[in-house]
Amino acid sequence: EAGVAQSPRYKIIEKRQSVAFWCNPISGHATLYWYQQILGQGPKLLIQFQNNGVVDDSQLPKDRFSAERLKGVDSTLKIQPAKLEDSAVYLCASSLDGGPGSPLHFGNGTRLTVT
Amino acid sequence: KNEVEQSPQNLTAQEGEFITINCSYSVGISALHWLQQHPGGGIVSLFMLSSGKKKHGRLIATINIQEKHSSLHITASHPRDSAVYICAVTHPGTYKYIFGTGTRLKVLA
Repeated sequence: EAGVAQSPRYKIIEKRQSVAFWCNPISGHATLYWYQQILGQGPKLLIQFQNNGVVDDSQLPKDRFSAERLKGVDSTLKIQPAKLEDSAVYLCASSLDGGPGSPLHFGNGTRLTVT
Repeated sequence: KNEVEQSPQNLTAQEGEFITINCSYSVGISALHWLQQHPGGGIVSLFMLSSGKKKHGRLIATINIQEKHSSLHITASHPRDSAVYICAVTHPGTYKYIFGTGTRLKVLA
């Protein structure tokens, strides 16, 4: 079974620039998550999709962050404009149905550095 | 206070030592998860527990629901075990994950 694919692996941008991350979940997984992990902290949920609908985006800074999962498969997360404090690892994860018996499967993450 | 607390934050051990990482939580849960994160960033799920004890190779995870506490043990530790170990719990209603801040383990040869 192919894992969760993310790209790019690394990205360095200047503040006020824009950036986009891509995620392809495990085939058949209905639930897709984007997490932000700042150095030394645990992952923080940004947004959760169930198929192509948003389940939870309460912690997404909507003035600068946006995410979509148009066909209920792959997803993109965008930051525009980026701030220094956005430097973090952005992790995508998927699960079969988001229920209690469905563990998360994580991608390798995208390490973003904003200078 | 975080809903999920881990200790220690950092741990250095000699190869072969028995290692214990602790996790305490303050909320009701449907399950507790132990995850491993290597320096490259990817996270791998090690265990999902709702009661008792699970074992996989040299790794053992236990949970005490009454005390809201879990431990991850590594027997005969090896340098390849060096990683960040993250405890997470899932909320019983929403199944949202709440993550601890992780324990950074370094095993020296």
